[in-house]
Amino acid sequence: KQEVTQIPAALSVPEGENLVLNCSFTDSAIYNLQWFRQDPGKGLTSLLLIQSSQREQTSGRLNASLDKSSGRSTLYIAASQPGDSATYLCAVRPRNQGGKLIFGQGTELSVKP
Amino acid sequence: EAGVVQSPRYKIIEKKQPVAFWCNPISGHNTLYWYLQNLGQGPELLIRYENEEAVDDSQLPKDRFSAERLKGVDSTLKIQPAELGDSAVYLCASSLTGSTGELFFGEGSRLTVL
Repeated sequence: KQEVTQIPAALSVPEGENLVLNCSFTDSAIYNLQWFRQDPGKGLTSLLLIQSSQREQTSGRLNASLDKSSGRSTLYIAASQPGDSATYLCAVRPRNQGGKLIFGQGTELSVKP
Repeated sequence: EAGVVQSPRYKIIEKKQPVAFWCNPISGHNTLYWYLQNLGQGPELLIRYENEEAVDDSQLPKDRFSAERLKGVDSTLKIQPAELGDSAVYLCASSLTGSTGELFFGEGSRLTVL
């Protein structure tokens, strides 16, 4: 059974720092991995989708990598801003579970001015 | 283009009362998902539809939960009767394809059962 773990559970950094959020998964047989952002009381906003054949995706200050063999993904945020404060969730699409997304518990990020 | 639309955003009910949530997916998205999110947790799938067909409802508590997606567009999730433990956020999502497409989520419906 696929399990997704995100470390750390919470992170506080000063504005301007570059930071890395980690996601690990137990089964490498996946279709893709998706990173989301969730603001308090809101739904999930898709940030990046990495297909299993890809190694990374970039959007603005965000870069996500995927290493299926080690069951790991990282989300790199460059030059963090207070507006980046939110919970970041990663989710994988296992090949043997009908296409549903399996989520980690998220990393709550706080960027201090 | 409009995203996934859910209503109501908030609902407060007494236990044992019924409640229903509505979802309108992104136009053209054949796959629709209902997820449950408890506080501080990642979402967990309740049911997935491919057009009108429920293809994965293994996590749906069928004694009190039901869902439908008539005509393969809008969907309704119902709880009857609601229990205290059902207090959570109910998220709807949609995607173009069933297995590899990017998921897009609505704002969610926050349920409080008193």
